[in-house]
Order: sequence, then structure tokens, then C-alpha cells
Amino acid sequence: KNEVEQSPQNLTAQEGEFITINCSYSVGISALHWLQQHPGGGIVSLFMLSSGKKKHGRLIATINIQEKHSSLHITASHPRDSAVYICAARRGSRLTFGEGTQLTVNP
Amino acid sequence: DTAVSQTPKYLVTQMGNDKSIKCEQNLGHDTMYWYKQDSKKFLKIMFSYNNKELIINETVPNRFSPKSPDKAHLNLHINSLELGDSAVYFCASSREYEQRNHSPLHFGNGTRLTVT
Repeated sequence: KNEVEQSPQNLTAQEGEFITINCSYSVGISALHWLQQHPGGGIVSLFMLSSGKKKHGRLIATINIQEKHSSLHITASHPRDSAVYICAARRGSRLTFGEGTQLTVNP
Repeated sequence: DTAVSQTPKYLVTQMGNDKSIKCEQNLGHDTMYWYKQDSKKFLKIMFSYNNKELIINETVPNRFSPKSPDKAHLNLHINSLELGDSAVYFCASSREYEQRNHSPLHFGNGTRLTVT
């Protein structure tokens, strides 16, 4: 069992829908990262959070330390949001990655 | 200006060869990483360097050797390449502060290695 589990593995949505991707981890962490990997392969850091909630544009990330759970929400989804979303748990200098969620947003 | 740049973008080579992938960051970060992404898109840490010092060395074959000539560079040398080494390799960097905390990661664009 992976230390970091994501769900769902694949997600297809219609443009405009509200999207939630979940991440659970089984170890103590110092921070939780959300990354986006574009179809072209590049990886971008979306959020790094250790408590509470962060918002950037249409993206919102939350974390519940007690429940060892984080969610990434996308409001008013758009086809350009189609990508793989990866959560990663940080312990010291070590990052353990989830297997990613492939999101496809159809027009 | 590219923050984290790695070269080459694509590398096709035959089994048994020795190759290098270069990585440079101009962000002033003190921690650099190499990650491997397999065919299932799963990312795994390989190495981490902080101020030119190796701090993470996962169970990677010793055919893989990182070299950090200075804080801004972390190169990956691979000897005697095998078919299973085919993957995408990502370099990344971050800033470490207060000993246990890091800034967000900045990734290079990846190097797709194909071993034939």
C-alpha cells in the first residue's frame, strides 16, 4: 500500500463542473504539495500547505492534519484544466508522491 | 528566464552506453532533486542535494551517480544503461529554511530517456 493514496485515478467532467480530487497519507508530514502535470509533460507546483486552506484563482486546496487528508478543488472547470494532478507528502527533504489523477474536462 | 533547466530534453541511446543529464537552477535555491517518472507516470525520488551535500539517496542502482559541482547544478550520470532505465527524469529545486521547511518545488521540463 502506497503511503500516499489519491482518488479518483481518472476523472472526466463537463466544462463548468466543480471538481474534487482527494489525497490521503499514512505518515506524519511537514507539508503537502499539489502538482499539475500538463499533457506536454511539464510539472508545476500548485500549492504547498501544512494546515487549513489555500486559494489561487479557481483552485482551492485544503488539508486536515488530524485526518491525514487533503483535497484539491477546481471551481468552474475548463478544458485547459485537463492534466494530471499529483499530491505529494513531504517529510523532511523527502517527498512521497501519489499516483496522480488524470483529469479530462470536456467542452 | 528559465528557472530550472535540464538538458537534453530527449535522449535516445543503446544499452551499455554511459550518458549524462544536466540540470541548472537560477533561483538561488540550496536544495536540488532528481526524480524518476516511470511509464505509469509514477514519480519517485532518486537523490536530493542540499548545498552540494547528498542528503537523500534512495535505493537506486549505483550505476546512477549524481554530481553537484556547485549549489546551482546537479547533474545525473548513468553508466551501463539498461532497458529498464527508460523513463522521464525530472530535476527540481527548492529553498530550505528553518531546517525542516522548504519552499514550493520548481521542476525542470524533464528528460525523456529511451534505451534501445
